[in-house]
Amino acid sequence: AQKITQTQPGMFVQEKEAVTLDCTYDTSDPSYGLFWYKQPSSGEMIFLIYQGSYDQQNATEGRYSLNFQKARKSANLVISASQLGDSAMYFCAMRGSYGGSQGNLIFGKGTKLSVKP
Amino acid sequence: DVKVTQSSRYLVKRTGEKVFLECVQDMDHENMFWYRQDPGLGLRLIYFSYDVKMKEKGDIPEGYSVSREKKERFSLILESASTNQTSMYLCASRDGLAGASYNEQFFGPGTRLTVL
Repeated sequence: AQKITQTQPGMFVQEKEAVTLDCTYDTSDPSYGLFWYKQPSSGEMIFLIYQGSYDQQNATEGRYSLNFQKARKSANLVISASQLGDSAMYFCAMRGSYGGSQGNLIFGKGTKLSVKP
Repeated sequence: DVKVTQSSRYLVKRTGEKVFLECVQDMDHENMFWYRQDPGLGLRLIYFSYDVKMKEKGDIPEGYSVSREKKERFSLILESASTNQTSMYLCASRDGLAGASYNEQFFGPGTRLTVL
């Protein structure tokens, strides 16, 4: 069965510092996709970054980068130069196998990040 | 911009009531999803649909049903609401382009349902 594990329920980081949010996954599919979403207190889910299992390079999007270690089955999110607006819940997700290409996402339980001024 | 809208941000219902949660997307996406979000449990899939009138059960379908009569609209139905269905409900849609290795899911703003 496919599974996403986020072991950090909560994290604190000082403004302007970098922070790493952990994510490990389990799948037997040779092809899969990994996603990170941000959920502010307002509730909407905001897509941050995507990594494909066959991508040779780690994904980057502005201040977000994904540290993808395929052999260890980890896909950690790195946020550089944290800002107060980064305070939110962060979810790691994997494209699942329901119906094949239908693209359901399997989510971890999330990490609550708090940025301190 | 892709837009997914949900009929209500907040909803309060009584035990035993029939509840309809509506979701509409404007990007002609084939796939639509309903998730439930509870603290400490993340998001769990209730139902999804990959075409009009087609539906598939997710991880926690008990106590719920869905309807997709038009491509842009996916409704979640609580046949007889119970207090353990108090939760945040999130709708999402995704392009169903075959063979695409990357297709982001776009989420609605969520409906926070309280069942008294």
